[in-house]
Amino acid sequence: EDKVVQSPLSLVVHEGDTVTLNCSYEVTNFRSLLWYKQEKKAPTFLFMLTSSGIEKKSGRLSSILDKKELFSILNITATQTGDSAIYLCAVGYYGGSQGNLIFGKGTKLSVKP
Amino acid sequence: DAGVIQSPRHEVTEMGQEVTLRCKPISGHDYLFWYRQTMMRGLELLIYFNNNVPIDDSGMPEDRFSAKMPNASFSTLKIQPSEPRDSAVYFCASSIRGGRETQYFGPGTRLLVL
Repeated sequence: EDKVVQSPLSLVVHEGDTVTLNCSYEVTNFRSLLWYKQEKKAPTFLFMLTSSGIEKKSGRLSSILDKKELFSILNITATQTGDSAIYLCAVGYYGGSQGNLIFGKGTKLSVKP
Repeated sequence: DAGVIQSPRHEVTEMGQEVTLRCKPISGHDYLFWYRQTMMRGLELLIYFNNNVPIDDSGMPEDRFSAKMPNASFSTLKIQPSEPRDSAVYFCASSIRGGRETQYFGPGTRLLVL
């Protein structure tokens, strides 16, 4: 059965800390891996990764994919209270229901002042 | 751009009642997705449409759930009859051909069935 597993489930840090969120997957016909940030409302798109070893960056956030070891990490440097959210990892796959995504349960990040 | 629009934002109803959730995707997007999110199960895909046609409804929990997309700018998700275990946040998302895995989510409808 295809699955996406995120760790840790929750994390509490202080402002200024650096955090690393993990996402491992077992998905047949892997196509891409996506990261979303969910605050109190809807998930908002962060990154889409399709190739191993190429880091994507957006401000203090960065992410990289390892297709050999089947995982991705999301790094946040110099965390701020506004980074507090649930971070969701999702994997898209070829074939079958194209366009479908399998989501992990998420990592809840709390950044304390 | 208004983004994905969902209504109502909150719905409280009694067990056995019919519930209809509504979604307007981003103009020009040809994929529309309905998700359900709960603490226990996380985010689950219920059904998705491509060019108004249902492609995969394998995530629909049971016959009490139905979804339609009569045109490119409107979709409904109906639960009849509703049950307390249907209480969840229901999200609609849309995406564009060629980037269909970059899905843009609506604000969600928080449903409580008493």
